[in-house]
Amino acid sequence: NAGVMQNPRHLVRRRGQEARLRCSPMKGHSHVYWYRQLPEEGLKFMVYLQKENIIDESGMPKERFSAEFPKEGPSILRIQQVVRGDSAAYFCASSPMGSVYGYTFGSGTRLTVV
Amino acid sequence: KNEVEQSPQNLTAQEGEFITINCSYSVGISALHWLQQHPGGGIVSLFMLSSGKKKHGRLIATINIQEKHSSLHITASHPRDSAVYICAVSFQGGSEKLVFGKGTKLTVNP
Repeated sequence: NAGVMQNPRHLVRRRGQEARLRCSPMKGHSHVYWYRQLPEEGLKFMVYLQKENIIDESGMPKERFSAEFPKEGPSILRIQQVVRGDSAAYFCASSPMGSVYGYTFGSGTRLTVV
Repeated sequence: KNEVEQSPQNLTAQEGEFITINCSYSVGISALHWLQQHPGGGIVSLFMLSSGKKKHGRLIATINIQEKHSSLHITASHPRDSAVYICAVSFQGGSEKLVFGKGTKLTVNP
């Protein structure tokens, strides 16, 4: 039973390009959370999704960022027109039925914008 | 405001020492998590607590709901315990999201 799979592990994008980060939750987990860790800062919530639904996106920047968790396939965090300030580690976590059942975190995607 | 405070920010210990990391939060929670992160590494969930105490190997986590306080203890610390330890909570009435402390960087010297 593989854990939460995130890819790519490292992603380099030039300013203005698009970044797509993927997260495959653990088998049987239907709740996905995305968190961002800026350099020298703590982790911050971005978005909480269930299959085909965004439950809470209160942590998402208003522009350029979007997330989806389709019926089939991984959850995708998409950042359009990246800027240097988007450079961070992006972590995905999954849960079977919500946070009270515990989380499993992925290894993260480290995005560098050059 | 829903806040999570951790202390100390940095901690250096000698191998074998008993370690305590503290976490305080501001309002009622549904669960508290202790996480471990190695430099450049992923995040490992160590404990999830809503009351009482949990133990796993040399790690012990306790929570006092009335005082809104949790501690993570490491007995017989080892250099491989060197990592950042992060306290995170999901607040009651919230949407399930975690709010994180700033983390405690632990260095255990041989």
